[in-house]
Amino acid sequence: EAGVAQSPRYKIIEKRQSVAFWCNPISGHATLYWYQQILGQGPKLLIQFQNNGVVDDSQLPKDRFSAERLKGVDSTLKIQPAKLEDSAVYLCASSLRAADGYTFGSGTRLTVV
Amino acid sequence: AQSVSQHNHHVILSEAASLELGCNYSYGGTVNLFWYVQYPGQHLQLLLKYFSGDPLVKGIKGFEAEFIKSKFSFNLRKPSVQWSDTAEYFCAVNTAAGNKLTFGGGTRVLVKP
Repeated sequence: EAGVAQSPRYKIIEKRQSVAFWCNPISGHATLYWYQQILGQGPKLLIQFQNNGVVDDSQLPKDRFSAERLKGVDSTLKIQPAKLEDSAVYLCASSLRAADGYTFGSGTRLTVV
Repeated sequence: AQSVSQHNHHVILSEAASLELGCNYSYGGTVNLFWYVQYPGQHLQLLLKYFSGDPLVKGIKGFEAEFIKSKFSFNLRKPSVQWSDTAEYFCAVNTAAGNKLTFGGGTRVLVKP
């Protein structure tokens, strides 16, 4: 099966600029997740979607981050405006059931300068 | 809320040595446990998982993990490592109540040839 697709792979922006990341999950996976992985740390959940509804966004900095999953398939994560501390790898994952674990994409490495 | 701690941040060992990585979680209820691996430049991949049954779980590439409920632990082991096992290893847990996967901080393993 095709994996989780993410783009772009790399992005460098200046602080206060905006940026968007795109994710296409595995076909048929109803649950989609965005994680933030700062260098030297484990991934941290930002937001979880079930189909096109938000299940958990308790750790999403809503003053600058937003995410949507229109039509319950692809998803976009946006940061506006970016801060230096947003430099990280943004991972998208999807799952069919909790018991299966998640399948992760390759991530987008964001550098904010 | 659940949390995961991995005791070692960095491990360096020689080929053919045995590997054991510690993982402890905090959550009072039923949990599902995972180990993920991230090889240099690659995305997170599932090594093994535990849901129920035999607490000794065997995964890919000769890895195994043992769930000890009384100790809230899920340590990863490999009897004889290879240079290709150089990677970062993440322990993760989710609960029966929800899909949210919580990661530990990761352990970087360097296997010297």
